[in-house]
Amino acid sequence: QLQLQESGPGLVKPSETLSLTCNVSYGSIRSSDYFWGWIRQPPGKGLEWIGQIFYSATAFYNPSLKSRVALSIDTSTNQFSLKLKSVTAADTAVYYCARYIRAGTDAFDLWGQGTLVIVSS
Amino acid sequence: QSALTQPPSASGSLGQSVTISCTGTSNDIGDNNFVSWYHQQPGKAPKLIIYETFKRPSGVPDRFSASTSGITASLTVSGLLTEDEGNFYCSSYAGADNFVIFGGGTKLSVL
Repeated sequence: QLQLQESGPGLVKPSETLSLTCNVSYGSIRSSDYFWGWIRQPPGKGLEWIGQIFYSATAFYNPSLKSRVALSIDTSTNQFSLKLKSVTAADTAVYYCARYIRAGTDAFDLWGQGTLVIVSS
Repeated sequence: QSALTQPPSASGSLGQSVTISCTGTSNDIGDNNFVSWYHQQPGKAPKLIIYETFKRPSGVPDRFSASTSGITASLTVSGLLTEDEGNFYCSSYAGADNFVIFGGGTKLSVL
């Protein structure tokens, strides 16, 4: 079954850019049936949708994060990435990448295990 | 983008049933059939248990059922097991601008 795995630094300094990559294995990222998304969860809190991207690079963002977020996708390496700039302590969270089934299902059916990113000097 | 409203906690005894509500607006739950529910056990990633308001993915037991009425979605867990403990999150498609919105989560305790 398709699997997702997040990778990236676990510690980022305030005001810098958080960068994470999600590697997709046992399946192609180049599919018209799915979006590839990012969701985060601050410690002890709920889920927050960050955004998601189609294989064509069309992306949708959470309006509250849109000015700081950029998603990208690389179909040659079967990976997609998240960049969040000007981070603060409020961006400390477990970051999940996930597959979103579009066109009639509209849900995240597969998730990575998540990676904790701490924003601290 | 406001979160969907869920009660922070719910509880039920082993073998009993519990229902969790999720209230949105006419721009999300009230506007489409794309409500989903996720179960997150401690230390794990969320798992999809309901999509398109009431459908269950393969492998999800029929102890989990859901429905929607107006701007409120509901999840019922029947025959409670200790493994049902954890947090439950609702989610809805919220249009082209907001796309995906989550509820604040409900922590379920099985007594």
